[in-house]
Amino acid sequence: NAGVTQTPKFQVLKTGQSMTLQCAQDMNHEYMSWYRQDPGMGLRLIHYSVGAGITDQGEVPNGYNVSRSTTEDFPLRLLSAAPSQTSVYFCASSQTGTGGYEQYFGPGTRLTVT
Amino acid sequence: KNQVEQSPQSLIILEGKNCTLQCNYTVSPFSNLRWYKQDTGRGPVSLTIMTFSENTKSNGRYTATLDADTKQSSLHITASQLSDSASYICVVLTQAGTALIFGKGTTLSVSS
Repeated sequence: NAGVTQTPKFQVLKTGQSMTLQCAQDMNHEYMSWYRQDPGMGLRLIHYSVGAGITDQGEVPNGYNVSRSTTEDFPLRLLSAAPSQTSVYFCASSQTGTGGYEQYFGPGTRLTVT
Repeated sequence: KNQVEQSPQSLIILEGKNCTLQCNYTVSPFSNLRWYKQDTGRGPVSLTIMTFSENTKSNGRYTATLDADTKQSSLHITASQLSDSASYICVVLTQAGTALIFGKGTTLSVSS
């Protein structure tokens, strides 16, 4: 099992550019989510999905889009990058979103927007 | 407002020593409380998950305690090793299961 994989590991964008952060898991987990981690702050939820075809907004969804066409993949799209989106992005998955199921995190994507 | 506060913000200890990290939360009601370890440049990795009815849970040299009455949790690390240098994050899952509330973490540095 590869667990949760994310690509790319690093990315530099110019303001206004768009891009997609990739996330995949091979554990057949229903629940997947995206977080951003900024210095001095806890991880904050951007979007999440409870299964293929179902997505919902988290705490900080503005400027991001997601879709979930398969159980395995959960890409995060930045529509028009802004410097405020400079952050480290983590994808996570778990069997379900509730209860005591462990969340597995990917290695992260470090994004810089200039 | 649901919040998770951790202390201290950072900690430096000598290899072999024990340490205790604190977590206070205002999430109510909550489903479970988790401790994660995050190495520099990597994603968080789960150490323990406790429901409100559990008082203590161990994972090797890591022991987490929970007092649901005072809404406090602690993570005790025994006989620290250099590899314990990391950020330790306290996380609370709301009872509705709709949100994980993350603390800002405690950065632990273990020196030889």
